[in-house]
Amino acid sequence: NAGVMQNPRHLVRRRGQEARLRCSPMKGHSHVYWYRQLPEEGLKFMVYLQKENIIDESGMPKERFSAEFPKEGPSILRIQQVVRGDSAAYFCASSPRIGGNYEQYFGPGTRLTVT
Amino acid sequence: DAKTTQPNSMESNEEEPVHLPCNHSTISGTDYIHWYRQLPSQGPEYVIHGLTSNVNNRMASLAIAEDRKSSTLILHRATLRDAAVYYCIQGGNYGQNFVFGPGTRLSVLP
Repeated sequence: NAGVMQNPRHLVRRRGQEARLRCSPMKGHSHVYWYRQLPEEGLKFMVYLQKENIIDESGMPKERFSAEFPKEGPSILRIQQVVRGDSAAYFCASSPRIGGNYEQYFGPGTRLTVT
Repeated sequence: DAKTTQPNSMESNEEEPVHLPCNHSTISGTDYIHWYRQLPSQGPEYVIHGLTSNVNNRMASLAIAEDRKSSTLILHRATLRDAAVYYCIQGGNYGQNFVFGPGTRLSVLP
């Protein structure tokens, strides 16, 4: 059973371009979470999605950032008009159900560099 | 803000046990305690979680205080591969998102 997959692993964008980060959850998992980790800092929650629904986007910046988890295909985190401050590692995690008794499985991350 | 507090760093010698403490004084009756670790340049890795009773798995043991306001992650024999940042997380019943604090950076000396 493959783990959580993220691609690309590394992404370089110039200021003003768009970044699209993909996350394929573990098989059978319908809950996806996105986190951002700035250099030398801990992970910060961004958004929680179930299939076709955004459940909690309280950690998502109000502008330029969006996320989706369509019925078919991976979850996408989209950053429009990137700025240098968006440079970070972006991790997604998946779980089979919600609830404190279920662990989240993390992907290897996408490292975004904005030049 | 993280709901847990941990020491910033700890050091251990290889093949010795390591006890990583965590305080979670605001924990509610339905919150689980989760531990994850993050090796350099990798995503967090699940270690263990529990509610009230002590828990054991192949990676570690989790000792939970009777009042549940603190817990200790125990690595029985530290190896060099255990060098990582360890995060203690208070997970709500809905568990939608984990609040990561700065964690404890564990160094393992050969």
